[in-house]
Amino acid sequence: EIVLTQSPGTLSLSPGERATLSCRASQSVRSSYLAWYQQKPGQAPRLLIYGASSRASGIPDRFSGSGSGTEFTLTISRLEPEDFAVYYCQRYGSSPSWAFGQGTKVEIK
Amino acid sequence: QVQLVESGGGLVKPGGSLRLSCAASGFTFSDHKMSWIRQAPGKGLEWVSYITNSGSTYADSVKGRFTISRDNAKNSLYLQMDSLRAEDTAVYYCARVRMEWLLPNYYSYMDVWGKGTTVTVSS
Repeated sequence: EIVLTQSPGTLSLSPGERATLSCRASQSVRSSYLAWYQQKPGQAPRLLIYGASSRASGIPDRFSGSGSGTEFTLTISRLEPEDFAVYYCQRYGSSPSWAFGQGTKVEIK
Repeated sequence: QVQLVESGGGLVKPGGSLRLSCAASGFTFSDHKMSWIRQAPGKGLEWVSYITNSGSTYADSVKGRFTISRDNAKNSLYLQMDSLRAEDTAVYYCARVRMEWLLPNYYSYMDVWGKGTTVTVSS
């Protein structure tokens, strides 16, 4: 089973700063199977990025995804107040099945 | 607009049963694969189950206790939960699953989520 490990657990930044979130897989993951989600308190997750680097519909271009193999990154170029949230990476696997990383919380410094 | 609305959550005793529902609107439900995902209090996301028009899969943590089903005529997804345990306490979300060829690659992701329904298993 491929495990996703996200780092850091918490990222403390100010509005306007750049956020870089990491998602590391225990084995190689096909890029097209890697997605990122944003979740705000009391809300459902929202799809941000699919295929490691494709933005979902309506997602601002300050969000970008990159990476391949075992290392994937979500970058928020300039944090807006509404971007402070928890972010999860997700991978698709055999059976089919899905697994999520444990999440990275982006909080206001 | 495209929408998923869960219902059926509540308080149930350990060993009890509950049936969750997810009503879909704004898209052709029968054309899409669906999934249930849960989130225990203060924890991360855990995939629970998946269904197409011809089959289903389950996480090991719920296999043999939960049953996913769908009624395309009613645009509805269900999760029958039996032999419930305290560790099943969570918010349960339904989500639309996209699994598609965008040549040259095959993609999978969950693009529409409901707001969730809360299940509490406690005596």
